[in-house]
Amino acid sequence: DAGVIQSPRHEVTEMGQEVTLRCKPISGHDYLFWYRQTMMRGLELLIYFNNNVPIDDSGMPEDRFSAKMPNASFSTLKIQPSEPRDSAVYFCASRWTGSDNEQFFGPGTRLTVL
Amino acid sequence: QQQVKQSPQSLIVQKGGISIINCAYENTAFDYFPWYQQFPGKGPALLIAIRPDVSEKKEGRFTISFNKSAKQFSLHIMDSQPGDSATYFCAASHGGSARQLTFGSGTQLTVLP
Repeated sequence: DAGVIQSPRHEVTEMGQEVTLRCKPISGHDYLFWYRQTMMRGLELLIYFNNNVPIDDSGMPEDRFSAKMPNASFSTLKIQPSEPRDSAVYFCASRWTGSDNEQFFGPGTRLTVL
Repeated sequence: QQQVKQSPQSLIVQKGGISIINCAYENTAFDYFPWYQQFPGKGPALLIAIRPDVSEKKEGRFTISFNKSAKQFSLHIMDSQPGDSATYFCAASHGGSARQLTFGSGTQLTVLP
């Protein structure tokens, strides 16, 4: 398996623009997590899905952030409009209920909002 | 109560030395304590994990020590190598099938050759 796939790997955009980050989880995994990593706040859980259904979005910072999982093999995290303080590395991770709790992380998307 | 506190923030060790990273938690409902390793430009990857029914778990040069009464756990890296230079995160989770992870703030380890 190729592991968790994220795209793009790097994104540079201007304040006010819409940004869409993409994730393909490992096939067969039924949980998908979106995290944000910054120097100041470390790794923060933004939202997670179970069987494509959003379960807990309490970590989503504000209404400018939204996430979807239209099917078991694809999820998006959208920021509209983007702001400089959204600059961070965004990770997607997946796991299977039957596994021993291990989450498998993607390589991340480094977002820079100018 | 959901926090996991990690120290030190950074650590420099000579090759062959022992690296020790400590974490403390408050939520007694936590029942799974993994350590993740992250190299620059990569996502975190599970290194080793422990459950509170044991006090120690060893995998190769990596050992987790767990003190349930003190609500503390630590990662020991024996015979540290330059290839171990990375950021290490402790984490904790509890109950339910989701097993959301609460991460510590991370420790940047540098092993000098």
